[in-house]
Amino acid sequence: DAGVTQSPTHLIKTRGQHVTLRCSPISGHKSVSWYQQVLGQGPQFIFQYYEKEERGRGNFPDRFSARQFPNYSSELNVNALLLGDSALYLCASVISYNSPLHFGNGTRLTVT
Amino acid sequence: QKEVEQNSGPLSVPEGAIASLNCTYSDRGSQSFFWYRQYSGKSPELIMSIYSNGDKEDGRFTAQLNKASQYVSLLIRDSQPSDSATYLCAVAYSGAGSYQLTFGKGTKLSVIP
Repeated sequence: DAGVTQSPTHLIKTRGQHVTLRCSPISGHKSVSWYQQVLGQGPQFIFQYYEKEERGRGNFPDRFSARQFPNYSSELNVNALLLGDSALYLCASVISYNSPLHFGNGTRLTVT
Repeated sequence: QKEVEQNSGPLSVPEGAIASLNCTYSDRGSQSFFWYRQYSGKSPELIMSIYSNGDKEDGRFTAQLNKASQYVSLLIRDSQPSDSATYLCAVAYSGAGSYQLTFGKGTKLSVIP
């Protein structure tokens, strides 16, 4: 079975631009979450979606938004990019609450 | 503020030795605890899940949980150079329909041949 898939793998953007990251969960997983990991830190929670509804939001500015589609795939959008948005963006899916998250390979975003 | 604390290391152990990784967490209501391994430039991969007090063993890995002390640990027996990675402790929080993991900063482990 395919794991969590993310695209693109790498992305280079300029300050002020917009970016869209995409994620497909493991088949049968209805919950998708997004995490940001900057160098030297653990992943930080951005969003959780379940059945197309936002269920949780971390401490990130409104420049960050996300949505989940009927097939449970998800997009993370970041507007007005800042240098500090440079990070590894991780998508994860989970079969049920209190179960472990399964992460995709991540999207490495570099903002110049 | 839900917090997870880990020693950042680096922790260096000789090949064949036992590596001991520790983690403390702030929220007494937490029920689920995970250890992830992350190689440089890669995404986290799950090593162990633990939900009850005590020890849980899986091959060379043993996770230990003490909810009264709010303490989780991971022991790696017969450490191999391929175990060299950053180990992330994660604590699950669920409430108001939300489910999220809070991660520590990770402990970097180096296994010296």
